[in-house]
Amino acid sequence: DAGITQSPRHKVTETGTPVTLRCHQTENHRYMYWYRQDPGHGLRLIHYSYGVKDTDKGEVSDGYSVSRSKTEDFLLTLESATSSQTSVYFCATDDNRSSYNSPLHFGNGTRLTVT
Amino acid sequence: KNEVEQSPQNLTAQEGEFITINCSYSVGISALHWLQQHPGGGIVSLFMLSSGKKKHGRLIATINIQEKHSSLHITASHPRDSAVYICAVRLQGAQKLVFGQGTRLTINP
Repeated sequence: DAGITQSPRHKVTETGTPVTLRCHQTENHRYMYWYRQDPGHGLRLIHYSYGVKDTDKGEVSDGYSVSRSKTEDFLLTLESATSSQTSVYFCATDDNRSSYNSPLHFGNGTRLTVT
Repeated sequence: KNEVEQSPQNLTAQEGEFITINCSYSVGISALHWLQQHPGGGIVSLFMLSSGKKKHGRLIATINIQEKHSSLHITASHPRDSAVYICAVRLQGAQKLVFGQGTRLTINP
């Protein structure tokens, strides 16, 4: 869907280790988002980007950082993973034509388990 | 109270039935999205609405801006329609999206 690739698809890591998830898009979309999906909570925004080097926090940003050094890639880093960060992470993008009312495109998700 | 509420949370129906999923919101919005997520699968955008009604195949989405309410209808439902359907609203003047909790739909043959 819209050429969005998330990697890795699955990751198991230990508490306290840093983890980086990658979202790569081939559609030149300006806006990129990281969400986490947990039972009972739906999708919650972690961070988003509105251009290269332009990022902002979402509602659950504590313990996460992001970087966007080029249009195609949006990286999500868990600085020191905790068990509460066990979740499914989705990347999403908006196309460029009209940022306020653009369809959303999602990656296939990354299932992260922190033991 | 969540800004976006979906009902029902779970819905089980027989193949062929007409399905309605509702989404109510309490904030000013610029657009509303309906998304579909199959078990273990990714999330697909079905519709984006800012007014009126849209139709794609057996799926119809409507929105009433004054009443802050949207519905997703599925006609002649089929087991392959079984999925979680998610409503999301884009807040007016903002890039943020707020998501509903989703409606889990199961269509039995």
